This record gives sequence, structure tokens and C-alpha cells, in this order.
Amino acid sequence: EDQVTQSPEALRLQEGESSSLNCSYTVSGLRGLFWYRQDPGKGPEFLFTLYSAGEEKEKERLKATLTKKESFLHITAPKPEDSATYLCAPGGSQGNLIFGKGTKLSVKP
Amino acid sequence: NAGVTQTPKFQVLKTGQSMTLQCAQDMNHEYMSWYRQDPGMGLRLIHYSVGAGITDQGEVPNGYNVSRSTTEDFPLRLLSAAPSQTSVYFCASSYLAGAVGEQFFGPGTRLTVL
Repeated sequence: EDQVTQSPEALRLQEGESSSLNCSYTVSGLRGLFWYRQDPGKGPEFLFTLYSAGEEKEKERLKATLTKKESFLHITAPKPEDSATYLCAPGGSQGNLIFGKGTKLSVKP
Repeated sequence: NAGVTQTPKFQVLKTGQSMTLQCAQDMNHEYMSWYRQDPGMGLRLIHYSVGAGITDQGEVPNGYNVSRSTTEDFPLRLLSAAPSQTSVYFCASSYLAGAVGEQFFGPGTRLTVL
């Protein structure tokens, strides 16, 4: 059975305090690993897609990395506007996304 | 481009009532899907479509029907609403059939079933 676990469930950081979010997965026939950001009351917003172990992608203060069983979202010197829920979603063998429960990030000024 | 639009934004139903949640996209995307999001759970796939006239079931399809008569529209029908269907519903679309590409999400419909 395909499974996705995100940790921690919630993370509180001070502005400028770097950290990482984890996504561990067991998915047969993995077809890409997707990261989304979701603000309260809104739909998820696409951030990154990773396709192979060792791949890295960056966008502003965010960097996503991928291994065979995990993906990390590194946040460098976060700002309050980075506060959101971050969702990890591996693509399964049938091509559909399998979403984790998310990590709720709060960045205090 | 409006992207993915959903109507209504909020809806309250009584148990047993039926209704249709509307979803439309103007990006000429082949793949469209419906998810529900409940507190403490990840987004769960209800139904999806890889093109006009083609639909399939996702993880939690019971109690819901879909059809895809055009590329642009993908309505979700609740046949007989139950309190367990209280949730936030998101529609999404993707250029690539099979959802291996970036999915664009709508703003969601918050449904309460009394």
C-alpha cells in the first residue's frame, strides 16, 4: 500500500531560523515527487517536482531534495510570509498524486 | 486566464439532498480531478478524468458521480448527501494526462451537510 508521512506536523520558527521539512514515502512505481504550498482557505499552489534521487530544485528561500525514500524541503532564513502548510505528494504508478497530511509552518517576526 | 474556477464557494445541505459542484478550467488541460480535504488528513482523490468522455474512480469515490462532456468542465455530483461528506472539495487540472505534471488547483468549495 502506498504511504506518505510528513514530519513534523507543525513547525514554529523565528524569522531567519533555517530548518527542514521531511517527507518519507513508500510508493510503487514512483512517478515524480511534488511539493505544494497551501495558505489557509485556498487551494494548494505548486512549488517543485523532483524525478530522480539526487535531484535538487530551488526557489527563493526554498530548496527541495530527493532520495529513494525521502524528500526534504529546506527553508533558509525564512520570513513570516513563508508561513503556510507544505504538502508533499508522490506520483503513484497510475499517475495520480498521493498527498501527505502536510507540515504547518509558522514563522514569527 | 482565470485558471481553475469552482462554484459555489460555500454550500450547506441537508442529509439526503443532492447537488452539483462545478469546476471549469480555461487552460485546455486534458487531466482534471476532484479531491476532498478533511482535518488531519491529506487530500484524497475522489474521481479523475484523462480527457473528455473518460472518467475513473480515485481513492474515495462512493457517493459521488462525475462526467466529462467537454475539456473545460468537470462537475462533481453528490447523489444523496450525508454528514460524512462534510469537507472542503478541490478541483485540479493538469496539462499532462496521468497527473505527472504540475496540477493547478481551484479555490475550493466548503460543503457542510447537516
